[in-house]
Parts: sequence; structure tokens; C-alpha cells
Amino acid sequence: KAGVTQTPRYLIKTRGQQVTLSCSPISGHRSVSWYQQTPGQGLQFLFEYFSETQRNKGNFPGRFSGRQFSNSRSEMNVSTLELGDSALYLCASSWSPGSHQPQHFGDGTRLSIL
Amino acid sequence: AQRVTQPEKLLSVFKGAPVELKCNYSYSGSPELFWYVQYSRQRLQLLLRHISRESIKGFTADLNKGETSFHLKKPFAQEEDSAMYYCALPTLYNQGGKLIFGQGTELSVKP
Repeated sequence: KAGVTQTPRYLIKTRGQQVTLSCSPISGHRSVSWYQQTPGQGLQFLFEYFSETQRNKGNFPGRFSGRQFSNSRSEMNVSTLELGDSALYLCASSWSPGSHQPQHFGDGTRLSIL
Repeated sequence: AQRVTQPEKLLSVFKGAPVELKCNYSYSGSPELFWYVQYSRQRLQLLLRHISRESIKGFTADLNKGETSFHLKKPFAQEEDSAMYYCALPTLYNQGGKLIFGQGTELSVKP
């Protein structure tokens, strides 16, 4: 069974631009969560989607948004990029959004802002 | 507020020595805790969860509600255990699968 797939793996953007990251969950998984990982802040929750609905959102500005499609694939978008948005963005999937469900992570998308 | 604290950024031990990676949490209610591990050049993966009370790769973790701790232990460390370890706490059930992670502890096992 294929794992969580994130594309692209690496991305370089400049300040002010916008970016879209993609995540394909494990087949059958319907819950997708996004996390930002930085050396200073560690792993921080961005948002979670289940059945095309955002169920939960972390403490990030409105420039960070996401969506989920009917096939459970998810995208996250960051607009008006800032230098501080440079990070590894991780996607995780699980069968359902229950807190007892272990999450399966992708390799991440490394976003660098120049 | 819910919080996970891993006080050690780096833990260095020799092969065969016991290992204890500390994790303390603050949570109102009955928590469910996880340990995730990230080996070099690999993705973050679940190591174990307290609810299943299992031992994975020789690691165990016991939930101590009195001390609000969920320390990860292994009696004899192996070089292949070198990795980044994260303790994680889900939010309340009705908030879905959001995980709150500790800052992580890098375990280095020397030969």
C-alpha cells in the first residue's frame, strides 16, 4: 500500500508570492492533517480535513488555507509568502479524525522563501 | 492549555546502555499519548501509543498520571535507535486528530 505522498518535495519562492502544496493520503484514509515544522517552533498543527470539511485549525494567519477533494486528496495554499514561512510542511493521514487514530506522515515539502 | 514538554534536546548514550527519553504533559482529562520517531532520511512514523501498551523495537512507555509523564524507555540501546523522538498528545476527542508535539529529543547511540 502506498504511503502518504506529498508534492513537490522542494520549492523555492520569493516573498509576496503564493504557493500550493499537495498531499495524497493512504488509500482509504479520509482524514488529512497538515503540520509546519521549523527548527525554532518544532511541529505545529495547521489544519485538518475530513470529508472535504475543515474540522480543526491551528493558530496560523489567514494566509494559510487548505481544502480537501472528494477523493480525500488535500492541498494547502499559502499566500503573500513571508520569509518566516520557510519550513518543512508535513501532511498526515488517518482513517478518521478520532484522536485515537495514529497518523501516517508523508516526507514533506521543503519550502524556502528568498 | 495542553502542552507537551521534552526537556532534553539531545541524549547521547553508549550502545548497550539504558535509555530514557522524558516527556511531560499538561492535559485536562484522560490523555492518550504517542511517541513518534524520525530516523535519518526517513519520514516521521508512529513508534508506540500508550493505549495499546505494547513494546516496539524494545521500547516501552508508561503513562504516569500522577507525575503527568510518558517517558520512553529501552533497557539496552542499539546504534540503530539513533533518531529524533517526538512525544505527542492529541487534543480533546471532539477536536479530531490534531496532535500537539513536544520539541523532540535527538537520541545518539555511540558504538
